[in-house]
Amino acid sequence: QTVVTQEPSLTVSPGGTVTLTCASSTGAVTSGFYPNWFQQKPGQAPRALIYSISKKHSWTPARFSGSLLGDKAALTLSGVQPEDEAEYYCLLYYGGALVFGGGTKLTVL
Amino acid sequence: EEQLVESGGGLAQPGGSLRLSCAASGFTFKTYAMTWVRQAPGKGLEWVSSISGSGSSTYYGDSVKGRFTISRDNSGNTLYLQMNSLRDEDTAIYYCAKGESGNYFYGMDVWGQGTTVIVSS
Repeated sequence: QTVVTQEPSLTVSPGGTVTLTCASSTGAVTSGFYPNWFQQKPGQAPRALIYSISKKHSWTPARFSGSLLGDKAALTLSGVQPEDEAEYYCLLYYGGALVFGGGTKLTVL
Repeated sequence: EEQLVESGGGLAQPGGSLRLSCAASGFTFKTYAMTWVRQAPGKGLEWVSSISGSGSSTYYGDSVKGRFTISRDNSGNTLYLQMNSLRDEDTAIYYCAKGESGNYFYGMDVWGQGTTVIVSS
């Protein structure tokens, strides 16, 4: 069974920078996994942030960026705002199936 | 404005059936793949199923394969999820999501607000 692993929780100070990662149990994450990132706040539907590693949607704030970092997909928030406190999920493609990571709870403190 | 509105959730008994709908507006529906994602209470997101823009190709997660059927009506701009042989573990909020492109594996951009399914006797 394929497992996508994210940090369970991270804490960052307002104005700081934080990087969330997304690892695959099958090995290195590459462009063929088409990594996506989503933000979800309590009681709300998920909101798409990043697709195909680093492409942003029209509504994605500039402080969010996606990349491949080593053998993982990564989401970096630069100049974190209090409203960025949320759960973040990555999504990877496995040739027929999509698999979400378990999510990272980001606390802005 | 691109919008998705789910409906059809509710209470079902184990072994029962439900049909979810997702009404789409604000974009050329037939051009985009569509996906269902669910979230059990207090848990993370789980991919359920995806369908190509034409409806000719469908994909399912292992936990629902053989029990759920995804379909779409491109003339009525509506996505469906027929859920049969429901189990307690199917209890979740079900979200429909628009594909970022015609290929479902590119991911999803616009999401609906979700509809709640509770499976219980």
